[in-house]
Amino acid sequence: AQSVTQLDSQVPVFEEAPVELRCNYSSSVSVYLFWYVQYPNQGLQLLLKYLSGSTLVKGINGFEAEFNKSQTSFHLRKPSVHISDTAEYFCAVSDGVGFNKFYFGSGTKLNVKP
Amino acid sequence: DAMVIQNPRYQVTQFGKPVTLSCSQTLNHNVMYWYQQKSSQAPKLLFHYYDKDFNNEADTPDNFQSRRPNTSFCFLDIRSPGLGDAAMYLCATSIIDRTGEREQFFGPGTRLTVL
Repeated sequence: AQSVTQLDSQVPVFEEAPVELRCNYSSSVSVYLFWYVQYPNQGLQLLLKYLSGSTLVKGINGFEAEFNKSQTSFHLRKPSVHISDTAEYFCAVSDGVGFNKFYFGSGTKLNVKP
Repeated sequence: DAMVIQNPRYQVTQFGKPVTLSCSQTLNHNVMYWYQQKSSQAPKLLFHYYDKDFNNEADTPDNFQSRRPNTSFCFLDIRSPGLGDAAMYLCATSIIDRTGEREQFFGPGTRLTVL
């Protein structure tokens, strides 16, 4: 089974500053990687995904992430955050086997301050 | 738009009173999942259906059951809700086919309160 670590439970940042949310996973075998965002009392919305190909993945709302196989990492970045980016962010990993079970990190709360 | 729909968005029940949450999808996906998410925690997989095949996670309490009468609908039944079952319940879908797509699509969730 996979394990997914999001090292930062909370990240405070000022508006227009850059941000990086960290995600590490346990296995170096072929994996599929995802970042989801969750606003209060809502479901999870996909930000971006890595299935194969280019290791730099661009997603919605100006977010991007880089897949680093040697470091088993998939960190999420945004060069300039907005107040509206305040939400909880979940990293998820699937090994693509069987029914496509997701292994979630514990989440990172991004708090963007004016 | 193709989507995952959950009803109701908010559900209040009494301790021990059975409750059913519903999920429907217009994506025609063959896998449907139910997750439980407590405050400030990651979603926890309860079970999934792969077509008609039902699969429980090992640590899902017997109090939780599910039904999938057809491809589009899936229900979560909580037979005797306890205070500890208060949570957000998320339904998700996924397509397992030759395209290699692996994304899970989530509904908006149902917030369950147990009084």
